[in-house]
Amino acid sequence: LAKTTQPISMDSYEGQEVNITCSHNNIATNDYITWYQQFPSQGPRFIIQGYKTKVTNEVASLFIPADRKSSTLSLPRVSLSDTAVYYCLVGEADTGFQKLVFGTGTRLLVSP
Amino acid sequence: DTEVTQTPKHLVMGMTNKKSLKCEQHMGHRAMYWYKQKAKKPPELMFVYSYEKLSINESVPSRFSPECPNSSLLNLHLHALQPEDSALYLCASSQDPRYIYEQYFGPGTRLTVT
Repeated sequence: LAKTTQPISMDSYEGQEVNITCSHNNIATNDYITWYQQFPSQGPRFIIQGYKTKVTNEVASLFIPADRKSSTLSLPRVSLSDTAVYYCLVGEADTGFQKLVFGTGTRLLVSP
Repeated sequence: DTEVTQTPKHLVMGMTNKKSLKCEQHMGHRAMYWYKQKAKKPPELMFVYSYEKLSINESVPSRFSPECPNSSLLNLHLHALQPEDSALYLCASSQDPRYIYEQYFGPGTRLTVT
């Protein structure tokens, strides 16, 4: 089971770029890296998923180094509405739902 | 329609009550999930339905009973709950079990057991 480690919390200001790193030292060959965002009293929202190198969508970028033992979620020019908890998940569907474990997450607070 | 709906939004029940939580999606997804989330904790997976077939999570107490009447609906029947079962109950769906990591979540039902 690929255990993930994230910072408990981060603070930023509007307009800044925020990088949240997730450590997953025992990631398996077939594992993918997935990030979710959760606002208070709402369900998590899928943000981005990747396997290696870099993935970018309209919301964020995901950077994965060659050894895949960590990943970085990058949020460009954050706004107050990006204040949320961000979860990193590591696993692959073929191993079943037993590996689907949300880590403790990173609480991001964006201030004016 | 990329929405997962859950009813009710809030529920208060006594320890002797029987109640049900409902979840619905119209995205044609063939995998549906129930999660429990305590305050300031991550969601914990409770049950998975894959093509209307249940994959049981053995650590979930029997006072929680899931049901999948069809591919769009998911229920969670509650009976003889304990105060520590108070939490946000989240429903989610994915295209099929191969996309287990790409899930769409509903807003949740806030359950209080008195």
